[in-house]
Amino acid sequence: AQSVTQPDIHITVSEGASLELRCNYSYGATPYLFWYVQSPGQGLQLLLKYFSGDTLVQGIKGFEAEFKRSQSSFNLRKPSVHWSDAAEYFCAVGAYGGATNKLIFGTGTLLAVQP
Amino acid sequence: DADVTQTPRNRITKTGKRIMLECSQTKGHDRMYWYRQDPGLGLRLIYYSFDVKDINKGEISDGYSVSRQAQAKFSLSLESAIPNQTALYFCATSDTRTGLGYTFGSGTRLTVV
Repeated sequence: AQSVTQPDIHITVSEGASLELRCNYSYGATPYLFWYVQSPGQGLQLLLKYFSGDTLVQGIKGFEAEFKRSQSSFNLRKPSVHWSDAAEYFCAVGAYGGATNKLIFGTGTLLAVQP
Repeated sequence: DADVTQTPRNRITKTGKRIMLECSQTKGHDRMYWYRQDPGLGLRLIYYSFDVKDINKGEISDGYSVSRQAQAKFSLSLESAIPNQTALYFCATSDTRTGLGYTFGSGTRLTVV
């Protein structure tokens, strides 16, 4: 069965420090992978997605993610975190086409940014 | 106006009451979804619809029903609300032609007392 694991429930980083949020997935076919961000009181906004091609994907707000098939991972990175990045981040996996065309979400990682 | 609009934004209801959450979209997307979000559990799929005549159960459909009144409208009903249905509910849409990038509504915070 499809599943997504985000091993870190909470992460705290200092402003200006680098960030890596982990995501591991379990999926029998070629996965489509996503990262979403949820600011307090808001809906979810798409940061980036991977369908195929270059395994390093650039997204909005300076985020990037790298797909590593051998590790079943799709970790999110940012070289320098800003206070406005404090939010909850969700990784998701899905397939395109057919009856499985829906997303499965991880449990989220809550990011706090220290001044 | 938002692309995906959910109403109401907040609702408090009593146990046993019937309640409907509504979702409408201006994206022109054919696919619509209802998720609920609970702390520590992420988002779990309740129901989804790939077009007006297609309704599918998600992983946690018990106690819920849906109606796809038009391509742009997808409502979620709780026939007899119970306290463990207290959660944040999200509607999302996607387009068959462009893939799985969901557009989310802002959510409905439902409290069942």
